[in-house]
Amino acid sequence: EAGVAQSPRYKIIEKRQSVAFWCNPISGHATLYWYQQILGQGPKLLIQFQNNGVVDDSQLPKDRFSAERLKGVDSTLKIQPAKLEDSAVYLCASSLFDPRSDTQYFGPGTRLTVL
Amino acid sequence: EDQVTQSPEALRLQEGESSSLNCSYTVSGLRGLFWYRQDPGKGPEFLFTLYSAGEEKEKERLKATLTKKESFLHITAPKPEDSATYLCAVQAGSSASKIIFGSGTRLSIRP
Repeated sequence: EAGVAQSPRYKIIEKRQSVAFWCNPISGHATLYWYQQILGQGPKLLIQFQNNGVVDDSQLPKDRFSAERLKGVDSTLKIQPAKLEDSAVYLCASSLFDPRSDTQYFGPGTRLTVL
Repeated sequence: EDQVTQSPEALRLQEGESSSLNCSYTVSGLRGLFWYRQDPGKGPEFLFTLYSAGEEKEKERLKATLTKKESFLHITAPKPEDSATYLCAVQAGSSASKIIFGSGTRLSIRP
């Protein structure tokens, strides 16, 4: 079974530029998550989708970050304009809907460096 | 406020020296507690899900246990390839509740 795919793996931009990340979840997984992981910290949830709809985006800095999940499959996360503090690894994860709890499977991440 | 705390931050062991990692949590209505392994430059790799106090799960040299306030990840006779960061996460409350991660324990096993 193919895992969660993400691209690009690495991105270097200057502050105030824009950047976009792409994620393709595991086939059949209805729930998709975007996390930000700063070096030395655990992942922090940015946004959670259930099919096409947003379940939780309470920690998404909406003045500069946006995300969409068209047709309930692939998703893109965009930052515009980027700040130095956005340097981090951006992780995508997906899960099957489970009424007990949501075991998530992660992609390899995109390492963003903002100069 | 829901909170997850992992200790120690870092642990260095000799090959074969067993030990335990701790994950303490404060949440309302635990739905699940998760353990992940993360290697440098990679995404977290799922290890275990625990649902209720008293539950235990094992995989090779790893054993996870859960109480009402904390979880332990026991590592028996570790090998250098067990070196990684181990992350704990909890999900609480409603079916749409988010998952909160701890900061992880960096485990290093010396040959």
